[in-house]
Amino acid sequence: DIQMTQSPSTLSASVGDRVTFTCRASQSIGTLLAWYQQKPGRAPNLLISAVSSLESGVPSRFSGSGSGTEFTLTISSLQPDDFATYYCQHYGTFGQGTKVEIK
Amino acid sequence: EVQLVESGGGLVQVGGSLRLSCAVSGFTFSGYWMSWVRQAPGKGLEWVANIKEDGSGKNYVDSVKGRFTISRDNARNSLYLQMNSLRSEDTAMYYCARERPRGASYFEYWGQGTLVTVSS
Repeated sequence: DIQMTQSPSTLSASVGDRVTFTCRASQSIGTLLAWYQQKPGRAPNLLISAVSSLESGVPSRFSGSGSGTEFTLTISSLQPDDFATYYCQHYGTFGQGTKVEIK
Repeated sequence: EVQLVESGGGLVQVGGSLRLSCAVSGFTFSGYWMSWVRQAPGKGLEWVANIKEDGSGKNYVDSVKGRFTISRDNARNSLYLQMNSLRSEDTAMYYCARERPRGASYFEYWGQGTLVTVSS
């Protein structure tokens, strides 16, 4: 089974910061990767599919990149609404999540 | 507007059973794979099961195989999860989710979730 590993588990940052976090697959998954944002008490929300395709309504400050086994999600200028937990996903496997906290 | 509304969660004892439902609206239900995804309190997301558009194909995570059954009623626009032999580790918020067509299982719409608590 393919494992998805995210790092870091927690990231402390300030509004306006550029933040990047990583998702690594235990074997090559091509470009079959999605990113979700989840806020406390809410269902996850699909942000990016196929590594880098932004979903409708997602701000352009979010971007995704990578292929094969290493992928990144970047927020170019962190906004107050972005403090949340982010999960990568490949088919039936999610990463363990990266929580973005206020510094 | 796409809507998914889960129901059926609650408190159940270890070894008991529960049937979750997900009522959908706003799209042609019979045209999509559907999934159940769960989240234990304070933990990450775990995909549980999915079902093909016509119900002819089903997949499960190993930890629920033989205990949980996913099903659907396309005439009633409803998705179900029958959970038997429940364990304490099944305690979680259970979400139903619509998968994006043509592969990759991206979960593009989610319900608000229904909480299952398994108590000993």
